[in-house]
Amino acid sequence: GAVVSQHPSWVICKSGTSVKIECRSLDFQATTMFWYRQFPKQSLMLMATSNEGSKATYEQGVEKDKFLINHASLTLSTLTVTSAHPEDSSFYICSARDGAGTETQYFGPGTRLLVL
Amino acid sequence: GDSVTQMEGPVTLSEEAFLTINCTYTATGYPSLFWYVQYPGEGLQLLLKATKADDKGSNKGFEATYRKETTSFHLEKGSVQVSDSAVYFCALSRGRTGNQFYFGTGTSLTVIP
Repeated sequence: GAVVSQHPSWVICKSGTSVKIECRSLDFQATTMFWYRQFPKQSLMLMATSNEGSKATYEQGVEKDKFLINHASLTLSTLTVTSAHPEDSSFYICSARDGAGTETQYFGPGTRLLVL
Repeated sequence: GDSVTQMEGPVTLSEEAFLTINCTYTATGYPSLFWYVQYPGEGLQLLLKATKADDKGSNKGFEATYRKETTSFHLEKGSVQVSDSAVYFCALSRGRTGNQFYFGTGTSLTVIP
């Protein structure tokens, strides 16, 4: 089946630093990837849609200058949390949709970010 | 707008009990419907899906039938196991390219021996 990986799985950083999270589709090409944020015991909140070779589309209320998304290839998208603050601490999950036109999204295992 | 409503949890069942997690949706047109499962500390895994009315998705003993007349996609399992303890999310996908997913709030299930 389709596998999506994320790296790192855990990251702890100091306030003011930037953190990069990678999302890779391992056995398929993902023309579209998605970034979600999940707060404890809550559902997923879509942050942005990332299309290979073009700018990401951000959901309302998500700061594009704070959450930089780059989808440089058909198998890799990165999310950079710039100048992280404690309120950015969360569980970040990416997903990918393959280029075959199916609607199913395949999710990565998530990255837990803790900003001190 | 499109939305998904799930029964609130948490749900606690004894092993081998029957499970039902209700899910209803609001959407125009013909969305695809999904159930995802999230085990502790992990991302979401696709459990099953149905893409048109009256379709039944099934996997690992779980089933859900796409009921357009009642706009529902209830998840059922005849005999739960301890390993089924997780959070279950109902979701719908609609749009020209299926990019937009709408998730329910999730239902936490704990199965006790």
